Amino acid sequence: QQPVQSPQAVILREGEDAVINCSSSKALYSVHWYRQKHGEAPVFLMILLKGGEQKGHDKISASFNEKKQQSSLYLTASQLSYSGTYFCGTALTQGGSEKLVFGKGMKLTVNP
Amino acid sequence: DAGVIQSPRHEVTEMGQEVTLRCKPISGHDYLFWYRQTMMRGLELLIYFNNNVPIDDSGMPEDRFSAKMPNASFSTLKIQPSEPRDSAVYFCASIRRQGHGYTFGSGTRLTVV
Repeated sequence: QQPVQSPQAVILREGEDAVINCSSSKALYSVHWYRQKHGEAPVFLMILLKGGEQKGHDKISASFNEKKQQSSLYLTASQLSYSGTYFCGTALTQGGSEKLVFGKGMKLTVNP
Repeated sequence: DAGVIQSPRHEVTEMGQEVTLRCKPISGHDYLFWYRQTMMRGLELLIYFNNNVPIDDSGMPEDRFSAKMPNASFSTLKIQPSEPRDSAVYFCASIRRQGHGYTFGSGTRLTVV
């Protein structure tokens, strides 16, 4: 039931792009994305609801393909501040959208 | 808005002792969640409440774990007796309603020796 994230870790140079994938074996109602810096709490980035939507937030955007039961997070022109571990959280049903199951995360390191 | 407030930030205790973790959700948020984070298992949902009522506690590992929410502004997670394998970071999070992003507290780092 835990979503699978790939890749597990990426090292980038500032200005490069990255894509983080999140796949589920079950039909999804919504997908959340969070970023966690070392020693801190996860911070909410965005939520995507059933309907195949795409969202953007500054240079970070995401897509949700409910047929493929997948979501992807796109980081464009990465900045040093993008470093951290990115988690997707999935909800299986509308009624259960408040109950998220998180993937194991993707560790992103952005170097100068 | 002070955010979700957890205490203590760090707790070191001996095996067999009782541990109580505390959480104050954001005012007006109807849902409260307790998660545990370890390197091996990642973020695991332990229990969540809606309007102070426990809805799903299927993630609570054993009877040694219990959680309460006596009112809308306070929740506790208790471990009695504690064991070294309980060592983890415990997060509390809240949301106003479905379809909103979680706001996490700063977490409690629990070490059981």
